Amino acid sequence: DTAVSQTPKYLVTQMGNDKSIKCEQNLGHDTMYWYKQDSKKFLKIMFSYNNKELIINETVPNRFSPKSPDKAHLNLHINSLELGDSAVYFCASSLRGDSYEQYFGPGTRLTVT
Amino acid sequence: GDSVTQMEGPVTLSEEAFLTINCTYTATGYPSLFWYVQYPGEGLQLLLKATKADDKGSNKGFEATYRKETTSFHLEKGSVQVSDSAVYFCALYNTDKLIFGTGTRLQVFP
Repeated sequence: DTAVSQTPKYLVTQMGNDKSIKCEQNLGHDTMYWYKQDSKKFLKIMFSYNNKELIINETVPNRFSPKSPDKAHLNLHINSLELGDSAVYFCASSLRGDSYEQYFGPGTRLTVT
Repeated sequence: GDSVTQMEGPVTLSEEAFLTINCTYTATGYPSLFWYVQYPGEGLQLLLKATKADDKGSNKGFEATYRKETTSFHLEKGSVQVSDSAVYFCALYNTDKLIFGTGTRLQVFP
């Protein structure tokens, strides 16, 4: 069974479109994260949710809106996509008390043309 | 702010060679330190950790020692295998956030 899953794995879209990436974890964790990995492999946290509440919100354009319908899911919606949004987006999860041990999904490669 | 600096890759080695990947950090307080590994096409996995000065983390033949005096956490392995080929990320945990280095790609050839 996949612990942290993301869909889609690949996403190619044009500038100006709106798209969503979904994430689900079956580990019973209470905290979920979104990270962005750029072309140079630099990995930076974007958001973190604990029990459906936003706890970390880094300096991210407000075109990015996370949504957590329950503690097993954290989706990322992106409005008005720009070329610079092209990256690999990783979802991760952990227990709040062990937030350093995060389990990552396989990533979603977003390409904006 | 807090940051992690890793050596640039790729690191290219023959099988059974000795591996060192350097990592230094800048942080306020006393962070915990980690190495994560990313195999091709997969997400990151925790490889090892150290939570205080002089702790040694180890797993799968990899080791790293938390050196507070040099603010370093270098990753070592005595004899690498082709299956160790991956991207290795040094990270620190402080104030509820994991902060990653830029990653070092390791390529091991038979």
